[in-house]
This record gives sequence, structure tokens and C-alpha cells, in this order.
Amino acid sequence: QKEVEQNSGPLSVPEGAIASLNCTYSDRGSQSFFWYRQYSGKSPELIMSIYSNGDKEDGRFTAQLNKASQYVSLLIRDSQPSDSATYLCAVRSGGGADGLTFGKGTHLIIQP
Amino acid sequence: DARVTQTPRDKVTEMGQEVTMRCQPILGHNTVFWYRQTMMQGLELLAYFRNRAPLDDSGMPKDRFSAEMPDATLATLKIQPSEPRDSAVYFCASASLTANTEAFFGQGTRLTVV
Repeated sequence: QKEVEQNSGPLSVPEGAIASLNCTYSDRGSQSFFWYRQYSGKSPELIMSIYSNGDKEDGRFTAQLNKASQYVSLLIRDSQPSDSATYLCAVRSGGGADGLTFGKGTHLIIQP
Repeated sequence: DARVTQTPRDKVTEMGQEVTMRCQPILGHNTVFWYRQTMMQGLELLAYFRNRAPLDDSGMPKDRFSAEMPDATLATLKIQPSEPRDSAVYFCASASLTANTEAFFGQGTRLTVV
């Protein structure tokens, strides 16, 4: 049974600070890792993908992957109220477009 | 504007009725996924297709759910008969195996079975 674990939160962060979201996964064969953002009542929106160990930066977002520890994280710098949402970690095994296994998400609240 | 299109957006039906949800994947994407989202279980993979062939439907209750892809532009998810426990948001997502492996979601169908 492939599992992806996230702290459900809510995680409350003051505006302008760094928000740190964490995710662990059980399947050591996992090769692709994604972060989706989901606003209430909306569909998941892809914000970051990462495939190799280390950091990947895109604007205010940085994804970090440590396959040895089976750990993925997302950092959001200069947090804005519009970043308030649920962040879903997703993991895929294998190199093809196999189904993603999702965590249940972390609810992030950015306090103005 | 490339996006996954799902219809209907909302569906309210009585227990025992048949429900059909439709999905148009992004043009050129060859992989289609069906997910169900509830507060308790989060996002669960029900089934997925690659090049219109079903690859995995192990997440789907076989007795009442069926998924098909009659052509490259249409995927369907059918529930017959529907039950109150099927109430959820059903998402379709598509991906391109050749270009990248990132999946893009449609807006979802919110199903309520009363």
C-alpha cells in the first residue's frame, strides 16, 4: 500500500514569513514528486514538480527532495494571503504517467 | 487555452439512479485519470487510461462503477446504481507521457446522491 503522509494543519504563518510544508512517502521506488495547491471548492493546481534529490526553485517556491529519507518539502518565501490554501503532496512510482498517490493535504493560513 | 473539461459541474441525483460524468482531456494528452475526493479520504485514484486502454481500475468499486474511453477526446465514469456514499467531487486529470509526467486537473463534478 503506497502512502503519502502530510500534517493536516492548519499551519498558520504570518504574512511575509517562510511557510514550510512537509511530506513523507512509503514507496522507495517513487520517482516523481509534485506539489499541488487547492483553494476551497476548486480543483488541484500544479505548482511544482521535482524528480531528483536536492532543491528546485521557481519564484517564491522551493521544492526539496531527499529520496534516502523519503521526504519532500515545499518552502514558500514571502508568504502572501493569497497563498492560503490546501497544499497536496503527490508521488508517482515508475517513469511513466502512472497514477499519482496524494497525501490528504496541509491547510495553510497566511495571517495578514 | 488548454485545459481539462468536465461535465456536469454539479449533479444531484436520487439513490439508485445512474450517473454519467464526462471528461475531455487536454488535446494531445494520452493519459487520463479519474480521482474521487472526499473530506475523509482525500484524493483517491479510481482508474486511469493510457492511449485509451484501461491500465488500472483497482481503486474503483467494480460492482457499480465503470470507466471507459470511447475516443481520444472523451472519457466517461458511470455509477449504476448510485448510493449516498458515492457523494464526492470527481476529478478527471490528463497527462502527456511523451512530453512530461505532470497531470492537470479538470474543474470536477460535485456529485450528491440523496
